[in-house]
Amino acid sequence: EVQLVESGGGLVQPGGSLRLSCAASGFTFSSYWMNWVRQAPGKGLEWVANIKEDGSEKYYLDSVKGRFTISRDTAKNSLYLQMNSLRAEDTAVYYCARDKKWRELQGTEVYYYYYMDVWGKGTTVTVSS
Amino acid sequence: DTQMTQSPSSLSASVGDRVTIACRASQTISTYLNWYQQKPGKAPKVLIYAASSLQSGVPSRFSGSGSGTDFTLTISSLQPEDFATYYCQQSYSTPLTFGGGTKVEIK
Repeated sequence: EVQLVESGGGLVQPGGSLRLSCAASGFTFSSYWMNWVRQAPGKGLEWVANIKEDGSEKYYLDSVKGRFTISRDTAKNSLYLQMNSLRAEDTAVYYCARDKKWRELQGTEVYYYYYMDVWGKGTTVTVSS
Repeated sequence: DTQMTQSPSSLSASVGDRVTIACRASQTISTYLNWYQQKPGKAPKVLIYAASSLQSGVPSRFSGSGSGTDFTLTISSLQPEDFATYYCQQSYSTPLTFGGGTKVEIK
């Protein structure tokens, strides 16, 4: 069964750090881009960061750049999010999500589309004193 | 950054109704548009990708259309299990961005 399981959430004081983990199983982890997406209480979805299959490219939401670091360990089939200098506004449920790549041929041109097809159940991060 | 605007933010409908949700991008995104459904306390689930392709296992009453900046999610005949919040998301460029969501409630 294809599965993602997040862990590492908890209560942390402003300015503190936390490391989230996402354990992947049931698929070839090294073949997929991976994402972190968060949802503040009662709010919508917000993409946080993603990382290429081999870890060579990483992208971040502006508000977390310099504070959060996404990484992955293929040997452990795991995705991570190191969160430093945490703020109250980082309080949210954090989901990891797999990026599915879909290839479409239009005439002689090939287009690649990405969508998040597998999600974990999320881990809750609360930043409060 | 590409801003995604959904309308309406909420709607009330009855079982059997046809429901349409709109999503507008602040710049052209071709057909790099996905739709997700989220129920309370659950992770999102993809319904539609590349604007109009139905994800495997998703009922055919869900459909998507549009390109450029304007997109639509349609539920042809609303079922009890469809009461949820729906989000559009652009995958054209980073930062990836979601719409604010449309909550579909029971009338």
